[in-house]
Amino acid sequence: NAGVTQTPKFQVLKTGQSMTLQCAQDMNHNSMYWYRQDPGMGLRLIYYSASEGTTDKGEVPNGYNVSRLNKREFSLRLESAAPSQTSVYFCASSETTSPGANVLTFGAGSRLTVL
Amino acid sequence: QQQVKQSPQSLIVQKGGISIINCAYENTAFDYFPWYQQFPGKGPALLIAIRPDVSEKKEGRFTISFNKSAKQFSLHIMDSQPGDSATYFCAASMYNDMRFGAGTRLTVKP
Repeated sequence: NAGVTQTPKFQVLKTGQSMTLQCAQDMNHNSMYWYRQDPGMGLRLIYYSASEGTTDKGEVPNGYNVSRLNKREFSLRLESAAPSQTSVYFCASSETTSPGANVLTFGAGSRLTVL
Repeated sequence: QQQVKQSPQSLIVQKGGISIINCAYENTAFDYFPWYQQFPGKGPALLIAIRPDVSEKKEGRFTISFNKSAKQFSLHIMDSQPGDSATYFCAASMYNDMRFGAGTRLTVKP
């Protein structure tokens, strides 16, 4: 099983350009997440989707939009990239059947540089 | 403001020693406390987790100690090995909303 697949793995953008990070999972999980990882900041939640058709803001949603295209796919869009969005982005999924049992499976990450 | 605070930022331990990483949380609504391990170039992977109705959980060389009244929990790695060298993240979850600490880079010297 592939688990969680993210594309692209690397991307360089110029300030003001737009792009979409793609994420797909093949584990039939209900919930999907986007995190960004920055040195000394750990993993910060950008957006999550508890189920198909729903999305919620996390800690750092400004400058991002998301789309839960179907149960498998959850995309993250940067409409006008800024240097502060240079980061490593991780997609994750989980099968939250009950509270107190939220096991996230992460993708390998997408490294984004905004010049 | 980060809801989960983790220390230390980095830790160097000799092979065979004990590694201890500490975390504290603010929100008493959190109901699940996992630890994730991340190797360079990879995504984090679940290592061990605990629920707040339990004070300790052990899996092999890894133990979580949980203090609900102090809102603190810690990871102990016994008999640390060079293969344990990685970044460790504590986290706290309220159903779908999971928040992570800043991470601890552990180096185990042979």
